Amino acid sequence: GAGVSQSPSNKVTEKGKDVELRCDPISGHTALYWYRQSLGQGLEFLIYFQGNSAPDKSGLPSDRFSAERTGGSVSTLTIQRTQQEDSAVYLCASSLVAGGDEQFFGPGTRLTVL
Amino acid sequence: KQEVTQIPAALSVPEGENLVLNCSFTDSAIYNLQWFRQDPGKGLTSLLLIQSSQREQTSGRLNASLDKSSGRSTLYIAASQPGDSATYLCAVRANTGTASKLTFGTGTRLQVTL
Repeated sequence: GAGVSQSPSNKVTEKGKDVELRCDPISGHTALYWYRQSLGQGLEFLIYFQGNSAPDKSGLPSDRFSAERTGGSVSTLTIQRTQQEDSAVYLCASSLVAGGDEQFFGPGTRLTVL
Repeated sequence: KQEVTQIPAALSVPEGENLVLNCSFTDSAIYNLQWFRQDPGKGLTSLLLIQSSQREQTSGRLNASLDKSSGRSTLYIAASQPGDSATYLCAVRANTGTASKLTFGTGTRLQVTL
């Protein structure tokens, strides 16, 4: 079956511009996660959605970052007024349920801020 | 705050060797531990998931063990092959707080040579 998909695969933008990254989770998975992987920082948690519950935003690094999940499926991560330190690979994952299930990752979006 | 360490950071072995990758975590109150592989420029592929109540999990040539009380996990790869070359990441899920986020180690880069 189809796995987690993300688009675009690569995004190059200029400092100060806004960007939107998209994630399509595995069909039927109720939990969706965003992580960021940057050089020297490893993989870090950003935000987590579970069903209709309020998202856990505890990992978002600043108020320039936000995410939505529409209809319990597709999610969009938005970064406003991008900075060079935002350059990283943004990974999305989904799991069947929260709290215990295996997380399956998408291929990621490589963001480069010039 | 949970911290996850992986040793060694890099490893090169000849084809056919058995090898062990190590993962340690500072807070033993975990829900589960997951091992991933990441190929260059790609997302994460889930290898094994060990629940906190389990001691080990096996999949083909891979065996992962968990000693929660000592904060350690190992990934054993038998009869290594060049196709095993990748970065291996371990990640733990907390038992409390943000229960569903994963905290990742920095990875072990494995190269299996012919």
